[in-house]
Amino acid sequence: AQSVTQLDSQVPVFEEAPVELRCNYSSSVSVYLFWYVQYPNQGLQLLLKYLSGSTLVKGINGFEAEFNKSQTSFHLRKPSVHISDTAEYFCAVSDRKDSSYKLIFGSGTRLLVRP
Amino acid sequence: NAGVMQNPRHLVRRRGQEARLRCSPMKGHSHVYWYRQLPEEGLKFMVYLQKENIIDESGMPKERFSAEFPKEGPSILRIQQVVRGDSAAYFCASSPLGTQKYGETQYFGPGTRLLVL
Repeated sequence: AQSVTQLDSQVPVFEEAPVELRCNYSSSVSVYLFWYVQYPNQGLQLLLKYLSGSTLVKGINGFEAEFNKSQTSFHLRKPSVHISDTAEYFCAVSDRKDSSYKLIFGSGTRLLVRP
Repeated sequence: NAGVMQNPRHLVRRRGQEARLRCSPMKGHSHVYWYRQLPEEGLKFMVYLQKENIIDESGMPKERFSAEFPKEGPSILRIQQVVRGDSAAYFCASSPLGTQKYGETQYFGPGTRLLVL
């Protein structure tokens, strides 16, 4: 069964510093990859997704992620964070060929941006 | 264009009562998905419905849980005889085409936070 690992439960960072949130998945099959953000007491909002093509994906709010097939990773990056980026970030995968509507989520990484 | 709507946002039930969670998908969307988020965990898939059809309920607990998406009205997730372990956030998502073969985006609602006393 597929699984998603987000190694860091919480990442504290100072405002305007760069940040990387790590995501690894365990699957030998082709997958779609997603990053969602959840602000307090709100639903999940899609930041970006990888379907095919270029391995560097750009999303909203200045975020980008790189798909690395050999390392089965899809790390999220932002060169300069803002206080408003404080939120919970979830990485998710789905199987391209079987039940691809079924998103499998990691346990989340809480990004805490300090002034 | 209103997003996915869920109500109630917060629901408190005593053990043994029933909980009914409602989800109205985005306008034009006819595919609905329910996920559950336990404390300190990621979301877990429960069920996928189209209008009047359950497509995949492989993530639903075998007992006490049911879901429907009638021809008219919102999708309902029903939990009978709730227990403390049912306390969680329940999220609904919708998509327009159900063409997940192409990685179609699911749009999430704000969730219903269920607390069982």
